[in-house]
Amino acid sequence: SQQGEEDPQALSIQEGENATMNCSYKTSINNLQWYRQNSGRGLVHLILIRSNEREKHSGRLRVTLDTSKKSSSLLITASRAADTASYFCATDGFLIQGAQKLVFGQGTRLTINP
Amino acid sequence: NAGVTQTPKFQVLKTGQSMTLQCAQDMNHEYMSWYRQDPGMGLRLIHYSVGAGITDQGEVPNGYNVSRSTTEDFPLRLLSAAPSQTSVYFCASSYYGGRADNEQFFGPGTRLTVL
Repeated sequence: SQQGEEDPQALSIQEGENATMNCSYKTSINNLQWYRQNSGRGLVHLILIRSNEREKHSGRLRVTLDTSKKSSSLLITASRAADTASYFCATDGFLIQGAQKLVFGQGTRLTINP
Repeated sequence: NAGVTQTPKFQVLKTGQSMTLQCAQDMNHEYMSWYRQDPGMGLRLIHYSVGAGITDQGEVPNGYNVSRSTTEDFPLRLLSAAPSQTSVYFCASSYYGGRADNEQFFGPGTRLTVL
């Protein structure tokens, strides 16, 4: 089963507005990552937040992490048409033979309307 | 650097046929993995490898084989294709260092249709 679940599944906003997406997960984690996927393309890494961090910024992106609620949020400020994409959270899953696997959520489809 | 490359970009197979999806990376990454992406399902891990000669199963390994003879290459084999394997396949690589939760670099994907 999926470790991370994004909410909402789809989000449509006007250009210039802020977009907020949420991710909930089930087990304890070391890191949480956010990725973007443009239509028909591979995923691109956006930001990584460690379990001992509560907030992280990168340009117009702001990520928060609440380990007590097992949730994270991704905020995109001043959205642009180019931000139209699907956004995924990914968390490190359970230990398998000394390795860990990265588990992705189902994604939030973000549409920025001009 | 070319990053992560995948071939082919598109493929159509008939049920029962076999094929190999190629994946290569030039970043000297120890960790490589294969995912499939289906509508509404996110990405599901098929197989992964933490170095040459070391592979293991992910969430959905049935019907797929992998091998890792070199650091650079991580091919995915479909032994007898089934319509349920129609999907988009992504290869990814990353630095390992004992943990898989590092930034993943993804290839452009292979869109596979099994008739």
